Amino acid sequence: GDSVTQMEGPVTLSEEAFLTINCTYTATGYPSLFWYVQYPGEGLQLLLKATKADDKGSNKGFEATYRKETTSFHLEKGSVQVSDSAVYFCALHNAGGTSYGKLTFGQGTILTVHP
Amino acid sequence: NAGVMQNPRHLVRRRGQEARLRCSPMKGHSHVYWYRQLPEEGLKFMVYLQKENIIDESGMPKERFSAEFPKEGPSILRIQQVVRGDSAAYFCASSPRTNSYEQYFGPGTRLTVT
Repeated sequence: GDSVTQMEGPVTLSEEAFLTINCTYTATGYPSLFWYVQYPGEGLQLLLKATKADDKGSNKGFEATYRKETTSFHLEKGSVQVSDSAVYFCALHNAGGTSYGKLTFGQGTILTVHP
Repeated sequence: NAGVMQNPRHLVRRRGQEARLRCSPMKGHSHVYWYRQLPEEGLKFMVYLQKENIIDESGMPKERFSAEFPKEGPSILRIQQVVRGDSAAYFCASSPRTNSYEQYFGPGTRLTVT
């Protein structure tokens, strides 16, 4: 079945540092890929998405490129802020087969940014 | 347009009691997904429902768990005879159409079993 693997966390950075959170996936067909963010005590918010190979999703300074050849969708940001502290989830959606649209999530990466 | 509503936000139950979690989808959405987040883990799919129908329950535990989405009213996730291992955050997401990645998440219900 489909699966998503994220880099082990947690990640601790100083403000204005460069961020990379690795994400790789296994799926049949042509899934869509997502990054979600979860702030403390809240639900998940969609951060960015890419629906086909070589697409780049971007939002709020975060970027991720859908790399089919390496089955990856790494999240990057050039300069993090304290307000970026949250849990980040990589996820995929596979419209094919019997998935019925469910999202498959990675285990999440806790990001803490210090002033 | 109000977002996805879940209640209660926090629920404490003793072992053996029943837990009922409610999810009101966004207006105009007739598709609901339930996910469970165990401590320090990612979200795991449980069940997908359309109005009055269960479409995919492949992620639901075989016993004690059930879900419904009636024609009127919220979707309900019901856990009978709760055990400590049921302690988790339960999220629902709604979608405007079938088999869509466009899912909007509620704030979750955090269930604690004592």
